[in-house]
Amino acid sequence: DAGITQSPRHKVTETGTPVTLRCHQTENHRYMYWYRQDPGHGLRLIHYSYGVKDTDKGEVSDGYSVSRSKTEDFLLTLESATSSQTSVYFCAISQRGGDTQYFGPGTRLTVL
Amino acid sequence: AQSVAQPEDQVNVAEGNPLTVKCTYSVSGNPYLFWYVQYPNRGLQFLLKYITGDNLVKGSYGFEAEFNKSQTSFHLKKPSALVSDSALYFCAVPDLGGYQKVTFGIGTKLQVIP
Repeated sequence: DAGITQSPRHKVTETGTPVTLRCHQTENHRYMYWYRQDPGHGLRLIHYSYGVKDTDKGEVSDGYSVSRSKTEDFLLTLESATSSQTSVYFCAISQRGGDTQYFGPGTRLTVL
Repeated sequence: AQSVAQPEDQVNVAEGNPLTVKCTYSVSGNPYLFWYVQYPNRGLQFLLKYITGDNLVKGSYGFEAEFNKSQTSFHLKKPSALVSDSALYFCAVPDLGGYQKVTFGIGTKLQVIP
């Protein structure tokens, strides 16, 4: 999967708890993205980063925050998890904006 | 804002028959267009892209896609389907302004029947 890892791969948590998902790349790509995948909605962008400490919101950013303190790591935090955030989360990277994206294996998150 | 539409939730085709997975787009200017495939319990994988030039784009695993500007379509095709082609297929279009976020379609499930 193009040098992209996500951790954890599976997580079950309770409503109201904070959760952090990690994406790590070894490709030195500038752009990194967090998506969530839900049946009937396809892939929706949560947040993305166009460089270290440079991030912006996607279409479903409410309830999520991100940080990127170094090129290789992009963290997604659910400040206070809700059941509506139960989903599969994918990280992706690309060398240039708008160019081919390479995806990680995904994290399956269940919020009870 | 750019958008793509995949009008079929699922496409069923017999093994050995040609397959088509449909995608239409709405963008201002000349589009970049992508197809990705997702196998069960995996992340998406890049199949092919159209940037400019020849309207017929060839990609991985024998897939190709035809860019049609007048019909604003970018349908994915393969001459002879394999059972192993069964997967979820996504069309995608980047916003070429700003920081170039990418919008994905909702996906089409391709089922190849032996």
